[in-house]
Amino acid sequence: GIQVEQSPPDLILQEGANSTLRCNFSDSVNNLQWFHQNPWGQLINLFYIPSGTKQNGRLSATTVATERYSLLYISSSQTTDSGVYFCAVRQLGTSYGKLTFGQGTILTVHP
Amino acid sequence: DVKVTQSSRYLVKRTGEKVFLECVQDMDHENMFWYRQDPGLGLRLIYFSYDVKMKEKGDIPEGYSVSREKKERFSLILESASTNQTSMYLCASTGTAITPNTGELFFGEGSRLTVL
Repeated sequence: GIQVEQSPPDLILQEGANSTLRCNFSDSVNNLQWFHQNPWGQLINLFYIPSGTKQNGRLSATTVATERYSLLYISSSQTTDSGVYFCAVRQLGTSYGKLTFGQGTILTVHP
Repeated sequence: DVKVTQSSRYLVKRTGEKVFLECVQDMDHENMFWYRQDPGLGLRLIYFSYDVKMKEKGDIPEGYSVSREKKERFSLILESASTNQTSMYLCASTGTAITPNTGELFFGEGSRLTVL
């Protein structure tokens, strides 16, 4: 099956700093999503981005499908950005919407 | 707004009890999923369903069963709960990816189960 690798595994920032999270995947995909898991455990959808670039406020994401990676940018980070960020992909040819998840990046933003 | 609702946020059960976790979505999605999440192991797929009364095993189906009698509802059943089933359980749903964005996966709030 497809492999999904996220880096870095852990990231510690001061409030106001910028960061880039990376997701590498081992095969062609037709879906890629970024999620933020909040302290209560809920997975919040950030981006649905199988290719191209999207922006939502301080967050933006870019997927280069031909090179099999995606980047999540967080600018001017806030303490509320803390949590775990997951990348998930759907391998081409996979049926029924099944996604494969990376292991996540744990982000801690200090005031 | 899209909505996936899980019946219980926190449950405490005893070893050997039968446990039902319920999930309801209001987006008319065909596909529904149950994952469990454990520290260091990430999200692992237990079972999924692509239609009413249809189900497929995921990566870790042992000790679990599922039921999908109606399109909007997908239940996870622990026939005889064991301590190693203490975990966070996450339900998700997605439509059939025919048009752009219809393959987006949405999660419920999660159910944290403790088996004593």
